[in-house]
Amino acid sequence: DIQMTQSPSSLSASVGDRVTITCRASQSISTYLHWYQQKPGKAPKLLIFAASTLQSGVPSRFSGSGSGTDFTLTISSLQPDDFTTYYCQQSYSYPRTFGPGTKVDIK
Amino acid sequence: QVQLQESGPGLVKPSETLSLTCTVSGGSISSYYWSWIRQPAGKGLEWIGRIYSSGSTNFNPSLESRVTMSLDTSKNQFSLRLSSVTAADTAVYYCARDGYRSGYYALDYWGQGTLVTVSS
Repeated sequence: DIQMTQSPSSLSASVGDRVTITCRASQSISTYLHWYQQKPGKAPKLLIFAASTLQSGVPSRFSGSGSGTDFTLTISSLQPDDFTTYYCQQSYSYPRTFGPGTKVDIK
Repeated sequence: QVQLQESGPGLVKPSETLSLTCTVSGGSISSYYWSWIRQPAGKGLEWIGRIYSSGSTNFNPSLESRVTMSLDTSKNQFSLRLSSVTAADTAVYYCARDGYRSGYYALDYWGQGTLVTVSS
């Protein structure tokens, strides 16, 4: 199985801050990497697929980059609705695996 | 707008079989992969497996011996069965569409999730 790690596991930030979350795969996954946002009690929501393509309807303050084993999710200017948990997921091979999540909370 | 809704018992006894159904509305089940993912309380996401509209499947090896997936195109539904459950199978279970876009599969539509508790 491909192991996914995320750092940090949590971070504190303020509205308007630029935030970067890192996801690392245990082997190269090209750009088969997707990012999800999950709010408490809700299903995850696809934000970015193929490492850097914004899903339709997702605000442009979200962006993704990376290839191979190292990836980043950046929120350019944190908004109140963004304080929640983010997961990366690889679709390079089976089983699909998710990172452990990064919780973004209010400083 | 595609919508998914999980249904099934919220309580299952140890050693019995967990059965869930996902009903898809707003779009056809045909020509897509449909996935199940679970999340224990306060923990991360675990991919269980997926089924294509033709019936072909891919499963997580950690669960493969206990998992069955099926679908009913006439009802626009797909189902999960997990046998010999234990307390470790207690989780929120999500169904999702594994949408194909630009050469990539990503989980683009999700159900709201249903909590299944394994307890006697």
